[in-house]
Amino acid sequence: QVHLVESGGGVVQPGRSLRLSCAASEFSFSNWIMHWVRQAPGKGLEWVAGISHDEKNKHYAASVEGRFTISRDNSKNTLYLEMDSLRSEDTAVYYCAREGYSSGFAPCLDTWGQGTLVSVSS
Amino acid sequence: DIQMTQSPSTLSASVGDRVTITCRASQSINSWLAWHQQKPGKAPKLLIYKASSLQSGVPSRFSASGSETEFTLTISSLQPDDFATYYCQQYNHYPVTFGQGTRLEIK
Repeated sequence: QVHLVESGGGVVQPGRSLRLSCAASEFSFSNWIMHWVRQAPGKGLEWVAGISHDEKNKHYAASVEGRFTISRDNSKNTLYLEMDSLRSEDTAVYYCAREGYSSGFAPCLDTWGQGTLVSVSS
Repeated sequence: DIQMTQSPSTLSASVGDRVTITCRASQSINSWLAWHQQKPGKAPKLLIYKASSLQSGVPSRFSASGSETEFTLTISSLQPDDFATYYCQQYNHYPVTFGQGTRLEIK
């Protein structure tokens, strides 16, 4: 069974940085496009970023472009999200998710991790 | 960005009821629509992709239809496990966007 486990969340001050990790298992991680999606407390889902299997293509939401960097290490079956210049509005549960289907232009997410909470507060 | 609007925001129903949730897109997304179920404190779970295709392992009481800008998710006979929040998601193009969610609660 496909398994995604996020880690690295915590409390961080505004303006600081944090790196999230997502460990993948039970599937061929290197063959799959991966994404990060977040959910602010009591709110809906917001797609954050996506990365192709070979890291050549990356996409970002406008709200994080220039501050967040998505990357992966296929040798470690791990997805990352480096978050810089954090703001209070970045407070959310961050999920990693696998792109199970595609329109050819954008992803349908078929498997999600359990999430890790990031709280940006002074 | 494509805006996704779900209705209703909250739906009260009883076990055994048939319920329908609607999702509207601000522009045509062809059939590139998914439905996800989320329970409190849990990760979302994919139910439907490409507007009407049932994800493997999802019970057949879930069905969906629609195209272009109007889509529906129907649960034919509500089970206790179905009380959750449901989100539609468009994947016609980036950025991926979600509806605001429909909370299905027990009447």
